[in-house]
Amino acid sequence: KQEVTQIPAALSVPEGENLVLNCSFTDSAIYNLQWFRQDPGKGLTSLLLIQSSQREQTSGRLNASLDKSSGRSTLYIAASQPGDSATYLCAVWAAGNKLTFGGGTRVLVKP
Amino acid sequence: EAGVAQSPRYKIIEKRQSVAFWCNPISGHATLYWYQQILGQGPKLLIQFQNNGVVDDSQLPKDRFSAERLKGVDSTLKIQPAKLEDSAVYLCASSQTGGAGETQYFGPGTRLLVL
Repeated sequence: KQEVTQIPAALSVPEGENLVLNCSFTDSAIYNLQWFRQDPGKGLTSLLLIQSSQREQTSGRLNASLDKSSGRSTLYIAASQPGDSATYLCAVWAAGNKLTFGGGTRVLVKP
Repeated sequence: EAGVAQSPRYKIIEKRQSVAFWCNPISGHATLYWYQQILGQGPKLLIQFQNNGVVDDSQLPKDRFSAERLKGVDSTLKIQPAKLEDSAVYLCASSQTGGAGETQYFGPGTRLLVL
């Protein structure tokens, strides 16, 4: 059974600092891995999707890496801003056509 | 393109009462998902529909939860009777075909509080 873990559960940084969010998964037989953002009271917004054959994906200040063999992904957010404050979730598509989520990392960027 | 719509946005009920949530997926999307997200946790899949048929309901507590998607478009999730531990956000998502690895689009969720 696929398990996804995100550490730390919460993170607080001053504005301008780079953010590093970690995600690990137990079964490396995945189709892809996605990073989502969730704002309070709102649904999930997809940030980046990395196919299993890819090593990284970039969008603006966001960069996500994937190391399937070690079961790890890292989301980097450069030069953080207060607007980046949210909960970030990673999720993997695995066998059985099921999207399995981690518990999320709650991020606070202080002005 | 309109996104996934859900209603109500918030609901407060007492334990043992019943409640229903509604979801309207993105037009043309064949696959619809209901997730339960307990505070501090990631979403957990409750049920997946392909058109109006159930693909996966292995994690749906069938003694109290039920869901339907009669015409292959809108869906309703019901809880009867509710328990305190059902307090959570219920997220609806849809995707075009339900293929492995396909992007899912999420609605804003319904926040349920059971007292």
